[in-house]
Amino acid sequence: DGGITQSPKYLFRKEGQNVTLSCEQNLNHDAMYWYRQDPGQGLRLIYYSQIVNDFQKGDIAEGYSVSREKKESFPLTVTSAQKNPTAFYLCASSRDRLAGWTGELFFGEGSRLTVL
Amino acid sequence: QQQVKQSPQSLIVQKGGISIINCAYENTAFDYFPWYQQFPGKGPALLIAIRPDVSEKKEGRFTISFNKSAKQFSLHIMDSQPGDSATYFCAASVGGSRLTFGEGTQLTVNP
Repeated sequence: DGGITQSPKYLFRKEGQNVTLSCEQNLNHDAMYWYRQDPGQGLRLIYYSQIVNDFQKGDIAEGYSVSREKKESFPLTVTSAQKNPTAFYLCASSRDRLAGWTGELFFGEGSRLTVL
Repeated sequence: QQQVKQSPQSLIVQKGGISIINCAYENTAFDYFPWYQQFPGKGPALLIAIRPDVSEKKEGRFTISFNKSAKQFSLHIMDSQPGDSATYFCAASVGGSRLTFGEGTQLTVNP
């Protein structure tokens, strides 16, 4: 079955530690995204990538970093510079405009990060 | 300019009733308006979407109404069922890129 796999599902981190969240997709989608979800604030875009080896900052990129070395993978690192990292993190992907794009985002099941 | 405002924050409806969630936007360049449904512990999934060249789109019990002049769009869930209990997000984008999401509405349908 095609889809997006996020791991780990739950993660606990001590203050001052970096943590990396994994996102893998087998949908052959070109574009991938990271969103942060907090109660009452909707989904806010952290980073997105439209092609391998290229990515752009979203609305709340400070304290986060990403890489896009492979089409299938788009890991997110939450660094110690992120002041309030406890949240639910969602990875998504979509087709490229030239490859049958419909505008739909396909989401993974999320990773819940708690900073102790 | 990029915000999408969603209301209400939470909604309780009896089984068989109509659920209505509203969204408003400022950016007149937005040309794609989807609604996503999210169950607890899961990622959101596309429910229904509309483009500004039509005023209404219906898929089963779910209908989007779009008012371009008022810069508002809404989701109507007819004959609401307990299985519809979820969080609903409206969103908007220009050309489908960089979706801007509303704050979300937690819908509870009582049996």
